[in-house]
Amino acid sequence: KNQVEQSPQSLIILEGKNCTLQCNYTVSPFSNLRWYKQDTGRGPVSLTIMTFSENTKSNGRYTATLDADTKQSSLHITASQLSDSASYICVVRGNQGGKLIFGQGTELSVKP
Amino acid sequence: GAGVSQSPSNKVTEKGKDVELRCDPISGHTALYWYRQSLGQGLEFLIYFQGNSAPDKSGLPSDRFSAERTGGSVSTLTIQRTQQEDSAVYLCASSLGASGGKLQETQYFGPGTRLLVL
Repeated sequence: KNQVEQSPQSLIILEGKNCTLQCNYTVSPFSNLRWYKQDTGRGPVSLTIMTFSENTKSNGRYTATLDADTKQSSLHITASQLSDSASYICVVRGNQGGKLIFGQGTELSVKP
Repeated sequence: GAGVSQSPSNKVTEKGKDVELRCDPISGHTALYWYRQSLGQGLEFLIYFQGNSAPDKSGLPSDRFSAERTGGSVSTLTIQRTQQEDSAVYLCASSLGASGGKLQETQYFGPGTRLLVL
């Protein structure tokens, strides 16, 4: 069964600190992996999209990595800000069709 | 330009009633997706429209759920004989769409419709 699992489920960090969120997937064959940020009460917003041939992609203070061999991805947030408090969702698309498989998300809370 | 819009933003209904949720995608986007997000759960794919192709309905949880996309633009998700477990946030997303199945472009999400079935 195709699955996307994220860890930790929730995380609390102090403003200015770095953190790394993990995503493991079993989707195969694999087309691409995305990280989304979802603020409470809002729709998800795309942070990065990576194909299987890409290892790293950055978007400002967000850096995503991908190891297609071990089927693991991470999202690193540098110098966290209060506005980073949100749910971060890892999403994997298989090679066929338009169906995306979503992880349950990591709830990040940045405290002053 | 305008993003994806959804209406209503909130809907409270009685068990057994039918509801219609509307999604206006970004102009020019040929791909449209419906998702459901239940409390404490990840996003669940429901249905996908791409241009004039037959929609991918593989995520619809039961035959009480259906969706249409008229004229390749606005989409309506209909839930018949609603049940309490249908309570969730229903999200719509659109993307430019691409030929050859290379659906790697960004999906832009609407704000969602919060459905509560009493």
